[in-house]
Amino acid sequence: NAGVTQTPKFQVLKTGQSMTLQCAQDMNHNSMYWYRQDPGMGLRLIYYSASEGTTDKGEVPNGYNVSRLNKREFSLRLESAAPSQTSVYFCASSEALGGGGYTFGSGTRLTVV
Amino acid sequence: EDQVTQSPEALRLQEGESSSLNCSYTVSGLRGLFWYRQDPGKGPEFLFTLYSAGEEKEKERLKATLTKKESFLHITAPKPEDSATYLCAVQAEQAGTALIFGKGTTLSVSS
Repeated sequence: NAGVTQTPKFQVLKTGQSMTLQCAQDMNHNSMYWYRQDPGMGLRLIYYSASEGTTDKGEVPNGYNVSRLNKREFSLRLESAAPSQTSVYFCASSEALGGGGYTFGSGTRLTVV
Repeated sequence: EDQVTQSPEALRLQEGESSSLNCSYTVSGLRGLFWYRQDPGKGPEFLFTLYSAGEEKEKERLKATLTKKESFLHITAPKPEDSATYLCAVQAEQAGTALIFGKGTTLSVSS
């Protein structure tokens, strides 16, 4: 089925380790996003890419980097994981920046110990 | 600062007991207001987009309405399968802005 695919679904990291969360969409959407969701905090925007070749910081970008590899793929990298980055990470896409309904992936549950 | 506040945080209903969820917002010009449904362990699923005050959208037992300061998600005769967290999000008029989400209302419907 068409949609947004995130890998991995679960991950446990030790403090200081690095990892990349992968996201791919097959709907030919221009814009892609990375959010984190924490209990009591709601969805908070980490980074977004309005179109291929562009990326911008969101509300909580510290400790993260992103790459818009091509129109389909948008990855999120944690260079040196910290316990505060324990969260559920969602990737989403839309035809245009903020426009219409986002399509979300199923999430990556990350625990940093 | 653009802000979205949802109330109540949690709502318990009996099957068939209609109610409403509230989303109040403060943005520098509203381009659109969005409602999503999120089931446990899954990503949010898009429900509705509203663009201007007075607009209404319906889907099965759900109806979303919009005023200049808030939106309501009305749930008529809910069923247990309507149990989920409902998220509200807004896009401000300023060009280049992504959606800002509220913290959500968790709805539980018991039979």
